[in-house]
Amino acid sequence: NAGVMQNPRHLVRRRGQEARLRCSPMKGHSHVYWYRQLPEEGLKFMVYLQKENIIDESGMPKERFSAEFPKEGPSILRIQQVVRGDSAAYFCASSPTGVEGTEAFFGQGTRLTVV
Amino acid sequence: DAKTTQPTSMDCAEGRAANLPCNHSTISGNEYVYWYRQIHSQGPQYIIHGLKNNETNEMASLIITEDRKSSTLILPHATLRDTAVYYCIVRTRGYSTLTFGKGTMLLVSP
Repeated sequence: NAGVMQNPRHLVRRRGQEARLRCSPMKGHSHVYWYRQLPEEGLKFMVYLQKENIIDESGMPKERFSAEFPKEGPSILRIQQVVRGDSAAYFCASSPTGVEGTEAFFGQGTRLTVV
Repeated sequence: DAKTTQPTSMDCAEGRAANLPCNHSTISGNEYVYWYRQIHSQGPQYIIHGLKNNETNEMASLIITEDRKSSTLILPHATLRDTAVYYCIVRTRGYSTLTFGKGTMLLVSP
């Protein structure tokens, strides 16, 4: 059973370009979470999605960032008009349900570098 | 989520047990205790979780005090590969997201 798959592992974008980060959850998991880790800082929650629904986006910056988890295919975290401050590691996690007592498993992350 | 307090760093000799403490004095009855670790630059790795009873799996043991105000993660025979930042997280029942603090940097030395 493959784990949470994130791609690309490394992404370089110039300022002003768009970045698309993909996350394929573990088989049977319908809940996806995105986290961001700035250099030398802790993990910060961004958004929680179920299939076709955004459940909690309280950690998402108000502008330029969006996330989706369509019925088919991976979850996508989209960053428009990237700036240097967006350089970070972005981690995705998935869980089978949102019920308490279930564990969430993380992918290996996408490292975004904005030049 | 209840706030957790962990030591900033700890050292452990290879082959010895590593005991990582966590205080969560404001925990309520419906909140689980989760432990994750992050080995340098990798994604966080789930270790174990519990509500009231002590738990054990192939990676570690989780000891929760009777009043649930603190817990200890035990790695029975630490190896160099256990060097990582360990996060203790209290997760509210019915609320799915995990809130990471600063964690404990565990350094396992030969």
